[in-house]
Amino acid sequence: NAGVMQNPRHLVRRRGQEARLRCSPMKGHSHVYWYRQLPEEGLKFMVYLQKENIIDESGMPKERFSAEFPKEGPSILRIQQVVRGDSAAYFCASSPEDSYPDEQFFGPGTRLTVL
Amino acid sequence: KQEVTQIPAALSVPEGENLVLNCSFTDSAIYNLQWFRQDPGKGLTSLLLIQSSQREQTSGRLNASLDKSSGRSTLYIAASQPGDSATYLCAVPWMDSSYKLIFGSGTRLLVRP
Repeated sequence: NAGVMQNPRHLVRRRGQEARLRCSPMKGHSHVYWYRQLPEEGLKFMVYLQKENIIDESGMPKERFSAEFPKEGPSILRIQQVVRGDSAAYFCASSPEDSYPDEQFFGPGTRLTVL
Repeated sequence: KQEVTQIPAALSVPEGENLVLNCSFTDSAIYNLQWFRQDPGKGLTSLLLIQSSQREQTSGRLNASLDKSSGRSTLYIAASQPGDSATYLCAVPWMDSSYKLIFGSGTRLLVRP
């Protein structure tokens, strides 16, 4: 029973490039959440998605960041034209379709380094 | 606005000690509180989840208590081991949007052999 999977685990990009982070939720989970952990800071909510729907993206920076969770395949967090301040650990979590609030199960994270 | 604080920020203890990690939250109207463990460079492992109607939860050498009225939770680790060294995070769901977890900044624990 695989947990939440994220890839890549480590990603290095130069300023101006694009970063694509992938998250496969636990089997049977249809809710996906993305969090960002900046160096020496706590995790901060970014976005909540269900299949083909963005439910809440209030924690996402207004520019350059986007997220999707298509009908088939993993959820994608996309960062365009990365800057050094985007360097962080990005965590994905998932939960089942039951009503809130429920326990969120976290993936191992993707550590993005922008050179 | 809910704020979650963890004290101390770092803790170093000799192996075998019993220890307490603290988590406080400003808004006592919470659904639940969750304790996580984060190992360096790795993801979060859920340790315990306490529902708002519960006072405590236990798992092995871990015991988490919840006092909503005072806005506090404690994580008690009995007979600490070097393998317990990690960062411990607590989190509560935001009441207006309960899928948003609000995290404390964590307590970095080092258990010395």
